Amino acid sequence: DAGVIQSPRHEVTEMGQEVTLRCKPISGHNSLFWYRQTMMRGLELLIYFNNNVPIDDSGMPEDRFSAKMPNASFSTLKIQPSEPRDSAVYFCANTLAGESTDTQYFGPGTRLTVL
Amino acid sequence: GNSVTQMEGPVTLSEEAFLTINCTYTATGYPSLFWYVQYPGEGLQLLLKATKADDKGSNKGFEATYRKETTSFHLEKGSVQVSDSAVYFCARVDSGGGADGLTFGKGTHLIIQP
Repeated sequence: DAGVIQSPRHEVTEMGQEVTLRCKPISGHNSLFWYRQTMMRGLELLIYFNNNVPIDDSGMPEDRFSAKMPNASFSTLKIQPSEPRDSAVYFCANTLAGESTDTQYFGPGTRLTVL
Repeated sequence: GNSVTQMEGPVTLSEEAFLTINCTYTATGYPSLFWYVQYPGEGLQLLLKATKADDKGSNKGFEATYRKETTSFHLEKGSVQVSDSAVYFCARVDSGGGADGLTFGKGTHLIIQP
């Protein structure tokens, strides 16, 4: 298994543009998480899904952020419109069905820069 | 709410020195505890974990013991190498049968000099 795959790895966009980050979890996962990492706030949980259903989106900063998981193999995190303060590294992570539900496996991240 | 506090860095050591990175957590529920490592430009990798009191997690020469009495999960290594230079994150998740989001500490940047 190639592990958690995220795309793009780097994204540079201008303020006001729509940004879509993508995640392909490890096959056989049961939960998927989106985190954001910034120097000021560290790593923060944005939202997570269990069996493709959103469970807790209390970490989503505002309505400009939305996340979907249309099937077990794919999730998106969308920012519309983007702002410079959204610049961060966004990580996708998942747990594996059959393993301890505690252990999360992280993707390489998407580094977003909003100018 | 639940939180994790770890020592601030950067921590700079010479190769073969003994390492301790302190981590404490809020004493609510029965969390599982983790150490993740992030090498430059990469994502987070699980280093070790412990799921209940007195458990010891270990990997690659690193160890951490789940201490309920002191609500601590300090990371230790007897002899560090230059390749251990990275950012280390202590984290917790509330165990209970279902998956939940991790709560991370701020991270400790470790620099090992040859």
